[in-house]
Amino acid sequence: DVKVTQSSRYLVKRTGEKVFLECVQDMDHENMFWYRQDPGLGLRLIYFSYDVKMKEKGDIPEGYSVSREKKERFSLILESASTNQTSMYLCASSLTGRQGTRNTEAFFGQGTRLTVV
Amino acid sequence: LAKTTQPISMDSYEGQEVNITCSHNNIATNDYITWYQQFPSQGPRFIIQGYKTKVTNEVASLFIPADRKSSTLSLPRVSLSDTAVYYCLVGAGFYNQGGKLIFGQGTELSVKP
Repeated sequence: DVKVTQSSRYLVKRTGEKVFLECVQDMDHENMFWYRQDPGLGLRLIYFSYDVKMKEKGDIPEGYSVSREKKERFSLILESASTNQTSMYLCASSLTGRQGTRNTEAFFGQGTRLTVV
Repeated sequence: LAKTTQPISMDSYEGQEVNITCSHNNIATNDYITWYQQFPSQGPRFIIQGYKTKVTNEVASLFIPADRKSSTLSLPRVSLSDTAVYYCLVGAGFYNQGGKLIFGQGTELSVKP
């Protein structure tokens, strides 16, 4: 089974801190994603990476950056945490389909509930 | 990427069949339609995916009309454990189109005894 592991289930940080959320997948997937989920707003894409060192902004990239130095690991960085970044953060990965085939479904981690105080 | 529209919430009773419809008027030729299920405090999980006509697996059926501008997820004989949020996604097409996945707000299904 595909496993997507997020480093922390719960995290409490102070305003202004630099925060790292780590995500590791064990199935050699090319695509990795970071989402945040807030009540009434569904899942919103923050950043997407389709290869090592490659990234694309999602719908809400402001206040976040990402790092993908190795294929299996995708890090979300909050440069200076703010209270409005209190949220559930979800990481996912998927396999890019080979030529003529579709991309596979995405597999999600359990989520990190981040509270910024 | 095609935008999707689905009902915010639905109620049902145990044993009933539930149909959740998703509109995606701007679906592209290479786009697939995928549905995910999310329970509280968990990440979404894949349920079913289709391109056209009908797809069925052990969990659900997916009906896609010829024009592909909408799709319907059908859950047969729901139980209390089917209470969850259901997301419809369009995209994740072929390899050279990238794999960005955009979720909408989803449909919150509540199954009552």
